[in-house]
Amino acid sequence: GDSVTQMEGPVTLSEEAFLTINCTYTATGYPSLFWYVQYPGEGLQLLLKATKADDKGSNKGFEATYRKETTSFHLEKGSVQVSDSAVYFCALRATGNQFYFGTGTSLTVIP
Amino acid sequence: EAGVAQSPRYKIIEKRQSVAFWCNPISGHATLYWYQQILGQGPKLLIQFQNNGVVDDSQLPKDRFSAERLKGVDSTLKIQPAKLEDSAVYLCASSLEGNTEAFFGQGTRLTVV
Repeated sequence: GDSVTQMEGPVTLSEEAFLTINCTYTATGYPSLFWYVQYPGEGLQLLLKATKADDKGSNKGFEATYRKETTSFHLEKGSVQVSDSAVYFCALRATGNQFYFGTGTSLTVIP
Repeated sequence: EAGVAQSPRYKIIEKRQSVAFWCNPISGHATLYWYQQILGQGPKLLIQFQNNGVVDDSQLPKDRFSAERLKGVDSTLKIQPAKLEDSAVYLCASSLEGNTEAFFGQGTRLTVV
């Protein structure tokens, strides 16, 4: 069945460091891909999305490119801030409209 | 635009008791989802509705969990009887058709003691 595998955490970075969180997927058909973020004490919020191969989603300095050949959707940010500390979830929307999530990667950014 | 509303925010019950959660999706969203998120894990789909019909309930433990979506709008998720391992955050989400995202409520944190 459809599924998402993402990099295990936790990840700790210094402010202004480069961030990569790996995500790969398994799906039939052509899913849409998403990154969601969960800040402490808050609900899941959409960070960015891509709906077809080679699309790049971007928001708040974060980027991810839909790579069909490697079935990947890695999240990157060039310079993280303390306020980026959160849990990040990779997700896909399957052809049946179900959303499947990875296990989440906890990021802590220290000043 | 109002978001997905859930209640209650927190609930503590004893094992073998019953509990119900309520969700009101974003107006006009035909698809509604219930997810279970155990601490340290990603959300796991329990049930998906399209209007008032069930599309996918393959991961719903039907011996103790039930859900309904009356008139294709609000939904309730019930657990009866609860077990210790049901302690989790229960998330409701809704979405439009097509390649759009799901919008999530704040969740209900259930603790079974």
